[in-house]
Formats: sequence, structure tokens, C-alpha cells
Amino acid sequence: GENVEQHPSTLSVQEGDSAVIKCTYSDSASNYFPWYKQELGKGPQLIIDIRSNVGEKKDQRIAVTLNKTAKHFSLHITETQPEDSAVYFCAARDRTGRRALTFGSGTRLQVQP
Amino acid sequence: NAGVTQTPKFQVLKTGQSMTLQCAQDMNHEYMSWYRQDPGMGLRLIHYSVGAGITDQGEVPNGYNVSRSTTEDFPLRLLSAAPSQTSVYFCASSDLGADTQYFGPGTRLTVL
Repeated sequence: GENVEQHPSTLSVQEGDSAVIKCTYSDSASNYFPWYKQELGKGPQLIIDIRSNVGEKKDQRIAVTLNKTAKHFSLHITETQPEDSAVYFCAARDRTGRRALTFGSGTRLQVQP
Repeated sequence: NAGVTQTPKFQVLKTGQSMTLQCAQDMNHEYMSWYRQDPGMGLRLIHYSVGAGITDQGEVPNGYNVSRSTTEDFPLRLLSAAPSQTSVYFCASSDLGADTQYFGPGTRLTVL
């Protein structure tokens, strides 16, 4: 089955700096890669996603890049703000009928004011 | 539009007790699923359903049962709780033809 590894597990940046979180996946058949933000005591919330036929996608301060050959994808957050502090999860979805998301282990991002 | 709702928010059980975690969505989504979240491990799929009357197993199904009698509801049953089932449980839903999965707020379960 699919295996997703995520790094780093914790990340501390100063407000205004950029943050980068990286993930690798094992199944070359995976075709959908979402990123979720989870705030304390809440469920994961989708912040951006990318499909395997696209190399990069941006939404304001957030961008995701995908390298299918190397089987890795990354989340980039620019001009970080204290409200960006949360746990971020990457995921990959297989092509079976399960539509299951395989999650990375999460990155705790702390933005220092 | 409430989205995905889960009850209860918190629950403490003794080993061997049974209970049902409730999940409901009001978006008319065909696909619903249950995940568990353990520290340092991300979320893992327990069971899923692609429509009323259709369920199947995910990555970690042992000790859990599900049923899907309506489009809106997808309850998760623990028949005999074990300490290893202490976790946070999330329900999610999506359109079958869409990518985005919407997650509920979660149920924190402790089994003593």
C-alpha cells in the first residue's frame, strides 16, 4: 500500500518568514495530494491540493509543488502569520475504489510573533 | 448547512464496554469514511462507504463495525472496547466525483 513520509515533525519560524514542509510517497499510481491544516481540538481542514497532472499550484500565500519523478511534494507558506500556527498534514490518495487518503505523520508549525 | 457533525465530543469507556460514535452530513455526499488519529501517526482509515447499504474495510478495521442505512448517517460501533482503541476519531465525507474530503470535529475516546 501507499506510504507517506513527512518532514520536519516540528518547525518554528519568525513571523514574516517562509515555511516549507516536505512529503514523499511510495505509490506511483497515487494521483491526488491534499494538504490539511489542523488546529487544536478541531478536525483537519483542506487548505490546498494538487493533482498528478499539475506541477505547481498557488493560492495567495500558500503553494504546493509536485515532482512525480521523485515522488515528493511540498507545501510552501510565505509571509507567515501567528494564525498559521497549527499542525499540517500531507496526504496521498490511491486510485482504488476506497478513495482512501494516506496521511503523513504531521508537522507542528509554530510562528513566533 | 452544518457540514459533517460528530457526537459525542468526548467519551470515556471501560474495557469491554460497547458504544456507537455518530457521524452525520447534510451535503448529500455518497462517500463517507472513518479515520483514527494517534500521536505521531497521522490519520488511518478504519472503514468507508460509497453509498447507502455499501461499506468496506480500510487499513485498521479490527474491533470496529459500521453500517450505512441512509446517505446522511455513518455510525461507527465498538462492540468490546479495548485500551488500544483510545484515540481521536474523525468522520469524513465527499462527493464520489470530487476530490475534497470534509472532516468532522472529531470524538476523543479514552478506554480505561
